[in-house]
Amino acid sequence: KNEVEQSPQNLTAQEGEFITINCSYSVGISALHWLQQHPGGGIVSLFMLSSGKKKHGRLIATINIQEKHSSLHITASHPRDSAVYICAVEPYNDYKLSFGAGTTVTVRA
Amino acid sequence: DTGVSQDPRHKITKRGQNVTFRCDPISEHNRLYWYRQTLGQGPEFLTYFQNEAQLEKSRLLSDRFSAERPKGSFSTLEIQRTEQGDSAMYLCASSATGGYEAFFGQGTRLTVV
Repeated sequence: KNEVEQSPQNLTAQEGEFITINCSYSVGISALHWLQQHPGGGIVSLFMLSSGKKKHGRLIATINIQEKHSSLHITASHPRDSAVYICAVEPYNDYKLSFGAGTTVTVRA
Repeated sequence: DTGVSQDPRHKITKRGQNVTFRCDPISEHNRLYWYRQTLGQGPEFLTYFQNEAQLEKSRLLSDRFSAERPKGSFSTLEIQRTEQGDSAMYLCASSATGGYEAFFGQGTRLTVV
């Protein structure tokens, strides 16, 4: 079983809709990352968080350390938000990331 | 510094050939990681350098794979006698010591035909 599970695997939304992606993990962590990957392959770091909530533009990330759960929200979604969103965790006393399989988001105009 | 850069972006090779990829990390980052990503999956850890020292190799990294980071700057990943199963996206990331976020390159997409 993967240390990091994401849901849903795929998501299609209409432009303007509110989108939520969930990430659950099974190990103690020092930080959790939300990453965005476009079809070209490159990965961009959206958030790194270890507690609470962070906001950047229309993106909001939250984490509940006790429940080992994080969510990524996209408000007022736009077709340019179409990408794969990946959750990754840094386990305690480790230096490498463990990744979820990603959530493919498609936003239709 | 424009971030982590990888070269080439795409590589098509015949089975049995050797290939080498390069990663240039952000200059002040002493940690460098190689990951491999197959279609529909998240990246999987391959190997990790702290400065020039290779501190960990995944068991995914068979004897055909070797990575170096001379002088603690750029890194190369070589695959010898490529197999079709090696077809994947190879991602490089770098970070500063102490829990700082990792910055990823654009990846090298390898296709073995």
